[in-house]
Amino acid sequence: DVKVTQSSRYLVKRTGEKVFLECVQDMDHENMFWYRQDPGLGLRLIYFSYDVKMKEKGDIPEGYSVSREKKERFSLILESASTNQTSMYLCASSRSLSSYNSPLHFGNGTRLTVT
Amino acid sequence: DQQVKQNSPSLSVQEGRISILNCDYTNSMFDYFLWYKKYPAEGPTFLISISSIKDKNEDGRFTVFLNKSAKHLSLHIVPSQPGDSAVYFCAAIHFLNTGFQKLVFGTGTRLLVSP
Repeated sequence: DVKVTQSSRYLVKRTGEKVFLECVQDMDHENMFWYRQDPGLGLRLIYFSYDVKMKEKGDIPEGYSVSREKKERFSLILESASTNQTSMYLCASSRSLSSYNSPLHFGNGTRLTVT
Repeated sequence: DQQVKQNSPSLSVQEGRISILNCDYTNSMFDYFLWYKKYPAEGPTFLISISSIKDKNEDGRFTVFLNKSAKHLSLHIVPSQPGDSAVYFCAAIHFLNTGFQKLVFGTGTRLLVSP
């Protein structure tokens, strides 16, 4: 069974801090994703990666960057946290980006509060 | 611009009855549709999917219907059980020119099934 692990369930950070959200998957999946979930807005894609050191912007990349140095690990970086980045962050992985039969497997989320 | 819409933020149903969750989309290029279920404090999990060339897909108590002309899909749960209480996200896939797929989520509907 695929396991996607997000290192923190809850984080509280101050405005202006640099924040790292870590995600690890154990199924050798090629693709990894970062979403944020906000009430009334659903899940919105921030960034995704289809290979080590490769990344693509999603729908809302502003204020974020990512790092994928190893296949199993995908990090989301908030360079200078702001209060509008308070949200639930969800990491996901999938086997293929070119197949319909490759649903996303999500981690349990990190609830980030920026004060 | 919300390309996938779930206009009902919540739905309450009695145990044993049918639950019908609705989803509308605007982009006729979407190829494939999925439903994810999310319990509190957990990540979304894949539930059921349907290709744009079909109008119905069934898996146990769950059936998804697609009406392409109306750009509308629905998820039917029969019979509903208290354990079905969760937030349900509709999602749509279309393939980019790169060959990669992009997944667009709706805003979610919270289903409450009461005993």
